[in-house]
Amino acid sequence: DAKTTQPTSMDCAEGRAANLPCNHSTISGNEYVYWYRQIHSQGPQYIIHGLKNNETNEMASLIITEDRKSSTLILPHATLRDTAVYYCIVREAAGNKLTFGGGTRVLVKP
Amino acid sequence: GAGVSQSPRYKVTKRGQDVALRCDPISGHVSLYWYRQALGQGPEFLTYFNYEAQQDKSGLPNDRFSAERPEGSISTLTIQRTEQRDSAMYRCASSLEAGTGLGKLFFGSGTQLSVL
Repeated sequence: DAKTTQPTSMDCAEGRAANLPCNHSTISGNEYVYWYRQIHSQGPQYIIHGLKNNETNEMASLIITEDRKSSTLILPHATLRDTAVYYCIVREAAGNKLTFGGGTRVLVKP
Repeated sequence: GAGVSQSPRYKVTKRGQDVALRCDPISGHVSLYWYRQALGQGPEFLTYFNYEAQQDKSGLPNDRFSAERPEGSISTLTIQRTEQRDSAMYRCASSLEAGTGLGKLFFGSGTQLSVL
């Protein structure tokens, strides 16, 4: 599976949109982009995934560039409860192993 | 059950002892995964099953680690002759689909293993 590069940490203002970048320049055509987050000591939580089209659900939006070499997770209105480590993962649809990297530690400030 | 259940929640053991960690996945979930997580790091893949078949055990660090899922539901991760470096949070996850599964894993609360 392709590797991803994310900033180590970032701060966001409560109530504002949080834009989390991820680079995956070696992604191949059959690999999906997944986002998970881990709040404090809890288990990772699925957020969203996509292949090439932008995706939106009740939690977030995923914007994937046309060349698919990078993506951005958008939390539209960040709350204090969104403080967490956010993981960007690329994985083949047919493969079942998710490989987590270091993620981005996001701190939402009042 | 409503979610992935792991037991025990905490396990303290002495170096050299064997431990067995249990995972009860969400009912009906085909795939089951084991990860371990050191403090401040992302989860590290260990192994996974589709039904009772172990599909990938490439993440098991050495032959002291083994896992089974004999009836395609509950799974046990066993660590023999534990060492201090085995201390970590061990997390189990399950997903509904296998093969072309879409990667939506549901994680349990984990078992915190401490080897003294």
